[in-house]
Amino acid sequence: DQQVKQNSPSLSVQEGRISILNCDYTNSMFDYFLWYKKYPAEGPTFLISISSIKDKNEDGRFTVFLNKSAKHLSLHIVPSQPGDSAVYFCAASNSGNTGKLIFGQGTTLQVKP
Amino acid sequence: DSGVTQTPKHLITATGQRVTLRCSPRSGDLSVYWYQQSLDQGLQFLIQYYNGEERAKGNILERFSAQQFPDLHSELNLSSLELGDSALYFCASSVATGPYNEQFFGPGTRLTVL
Repeated sequence: DQQVKQNSPSLSVQEGRISILNCDYTNSMFDYFLWYKKYPAEGPTFLISISSIKDKNEDGRFTVFLNKSAKHLSLHIVPSQPGDSAVYFCAASNSGNTGKLIFGQGTTLQVKP
Repeated sequence: DSGVTQTPKHLITATGQRVTLRCSPRSGDLSVYWYQQSLDQGLQFLIQYYNGEERAKGNILERFSAQQFPDLHSELNLSSLELGDSALYFCASSVATGPYNEQFFGPGTRLTVL
């Protein structure tokens, strides 16, 4: 049972444009969501997070939006840069648990110069 | 460099064998997590230790076991290996437990079972 889903395996965007990566979840107990970025041959690195008490969190070029009623979150990257090309994982957790993260399958973003 | 080290980087072995993957957390981190990433899959949580004690368990197979030692390094033991165990195994560490503590991931160990 895939509790966190990223339905787009890949996304290609032109440099300078907006990249939108989507994520859906099914478990209503999740109240904390994260995005991780992964380059080849490296481990994932934390990018941005959002708590369920918010519907938006912004950090520089990265903004995460949360729609609790739709159980959907998205990551916006504006403007996209070639260095943003990587695999992006959405992850979810519950604030009451020990910290284990439930990950989506990942979306490969390619930003073309 | 996340500060989390994993050895070995690559491991090739045969079905039925047993292997041990090692993880050294960032200095000062007490919590260690193990995740498995199979082909085209997201990372699957296996198990978590905090200061030497098991704190949470995911869908970890009975053939797999882990422990965290007094110096806080952790080992993941995989036995009676099957072809389907071929995957990337990531270790992550954080200062404490709870999702608000950022998890720092190591570069992973790629296991190939032939």
